[in-house]
Amino acid sequence: NAGVTQTPKFRVLKTGQSMTLLCAQDMNHEYMYWYRQDPGMGLRLIHYSVGEGTTAKGEVPDGYNVSRLKKQNFLLGLESAAPSQTSVYFCASSDSTGSDEKLFFGSGTQLSVL
Amino acid sequence: QQQVKQSPQSLIVQKGGISIINCAYENTAFDYFPWYQQFPGKGPALLIAIRPDVSEKKEGRFTISFNKSAKQFSLHIMDSQPGDSATYFCAPGYAGKSTFGDGTTLTVKP
Repeated sequence: NAGVTQTPKFRVLKTGQSMTLLCAQDMNHEYMYWYRQDPGMGLRLIHYSVGEGTTAKGEVPDGYNVSRLKKQNFLLGLESAAPSQTSVYFCASSDSTGSDEKLFFGSGTQLSVL
Repeated sequence: QQQVKQSPQSLIVQKGGISIINCAYENTAFDYFPWYQQFPGKGPALLIAIRPDVSEKKEGRFTISFNKSAKQFSLHIMDSQPGDSATYFCAPGYAGKSTFGDGTTLTVKP
């Protein structure tokens, strides 16, 4: 059981380049989330999805776009990367929200923008 | 204005000791109070969580205590082990509406 898989694990971009991070979950979860984690800080929510075909903005959505065309996949795009987007990105999924919620996280993507 | 304040920032405990991490929040609408554990190079993992209708919850060596009036909740790790060395985050609220604390790095010395 793979759980939540993120690809790639590492990536270096030049300023202005674009890229897509892929998150795949095999648990049939409805809810999926993208976070970024910067040194010495907690996770901050970028975008999330409450089901296939839906997306919503989180705390820090600027400079990112997302798509949830298939239930098992949640894509995070950077159209024109900036050095401020250097971070570790985590994807998470859950089958519910509320007091029964349990988030399952991927192992992260380390992105450096030069 | 910081919505969630976690303390201490770092903590060193001897093996067998008690580790205590605190989380203070401002948003009274929060209705779910989890703690996450993160090892280096890994994603966070849910450790233990509590609902506001309960003042304490224990799972093995891990206990959450919740003080609604003070808007605080704490993680207690009893009989701390070197394998507990990790970063711990509080994240009050449901995913999508929650705010993560800045984390507490726990080191348990053998």
